Amino acid sequence: GESVGLHLPTLSVQEGDNSIINCAYSNSASDYFIWYKQESGKGPQFIIDIRSNMDKRQGQRVTVLLNKTVKHLSLQIAATQPGDSAVYFCAEGLDSWGKLQFGAGTQVVVTP
Amino acid sequence: NAGVMQNPRHLVRRRGQEARLRCSPMKGHSHVYWYRQLPEEGLKFMVYLQKENIIDESGMPKERFSAEFPKEGPSILRIQQVVRGDSAAYFCASSPLPTGRGGEQYFGPGTRLTVT
Repeated sequence: GESVGLHLPTLSVQEGDNSIINCAYSNSASDYFIWYKQESGKGPQFIIDIRSNMDKRQGQRVTVLLNKTVKHLSLQIAATQPGDSAVYFCAEGLDSWGKLQFGAGTQVVVTP
Repeated sequence: NAGVMQNPRHLVRRRGQEARLRCSPMKGHSHVYWYRQLPEEGLKFMVYLQKENIIDESGMPKERFSAEFPKEGPSILRIQQVVRGDSAAYFCASSPLPTGRGGEQYFGPGTRLTVT
């Protein structure tokens, strides 16, 4: 399944399929980008980050892609599992800041 | 190593009362960040503190809100004369270094403030 921008707040994915979550970020000068996962009633949990001088980074079952030309960030989750059900946020930051600027989030629902 | 601790987890206040939210960063972390989250929205930055210093408070309302991170003890976010619009989840994060320079932000479980 694939979400298109943050105006599509819910992504339904069948267990075992790959998920693609998209994010349009706002600041072309951002130095780094982070994906967080937030389960209901909990704080955000770090998934993966990427610096602005990279266009791809892989983790365990996750890949982040960065397209600076169109200010687009995506998170790919391979073989989505029920435990992946959560809200996913992208966040951007500058090295000169301490703060992170978060997007609105995408709810991922994994169906059996 | 315990994670970021926040207390209370749930706080109910009547309009006009004061709310005090506490955050104990991870051991060895001297950078603390506070964020606010309204239902079904992303987190909004409020304030960034280092020990005894406010580094960036650009996201914090000028009135009624204050934050501190004393030399000893937890960071405190204080909201005076609460109004219904203050109802939200307040998250604290900490990092060992400034974010972006190797300092990943670790988030606490949040304090859910309800103003009645």
